[in-house]
Amino acid sequence: KAGVTQTPRYLIKTRGQQVTLSCSPISGHRSVSWYQQTPGQGLQFLFEYFSETQRNKGNFPGRFSGRQFSNSRSEMNVSTLELGDSALYLCASSPGQGRQRQHFGDGTRLSIL
Amino acid sequence: GQQVMQIPQYQHVQEGEDFTTYCNSSTTLSNIQWYKQRPGGHPVFLIQLVKSGEVKKQKRLTFQFGEAKKNSSLHITATQTTDVGTYFCAGPSGTYKYIFGTGTRLKVLA
Repeated sequence: KAGVTQTPRYLIKTRGQQVTLSCSPISGHRSVSWYQQTPGQGLQFLFEYFSETQRNKGNFPGRFSGRQFSNSRSEMNVSTLELGDSALYLCASSPGQGRQRQHFGDGTRLSIL
Repeated sequence: GQQVMQIPQYQHVQEGEDFTTYCNSSTTLSNIQWYKQRPGGHPVFLIQLVKSGEVKKQKRLTFQFGEAKKNSSLHITATQTTDVGTYFCAGPSGTYKYIFGTGTRLKVLA
């Protein structure tokens, strides 16, 4: 079974631009969560989607948004990029019912110049 | 808001020594998960504990969930260089959301 796939792996943007990251979950998994990982703040929860619905959201500004498609693939968008948005963005999938282990992708490393 | 702290933040050990990381939550947890992230890699699920006082073993790794379900520990016996990485605990916050601990970075000196 293929794992969680995130694209692109690396991205370089400048301040003010916007970016879209993609995540394809494990086949059959309906829940997708997004996390931001930085050396100073660790793993911070962004949001979680299940069956195209956002079920929970972390404490991030409205510049961070996401969506999920009917095939469970998810995208995350960050608008008006700031230097502080430089981070590793991780996506994790799970079947979605109850407290289940999360399977992480390799992440997208975003650098803001 | 809910916080999950881990200590120590860093730990260097000689190969063969034991290692323990502690996870403390500001609120009672219904369960706790542990993950390992190798340098340059992504977090990989190790285990989930659900019951108060639960102890689970995976080879050289021993996981414990506190009686009050607010703390947990991971103990590695006789560390090996393959144990290098950052160990995270994660606890549920409300519904469909996990709060990750601050992590403990382990370095093993051969």
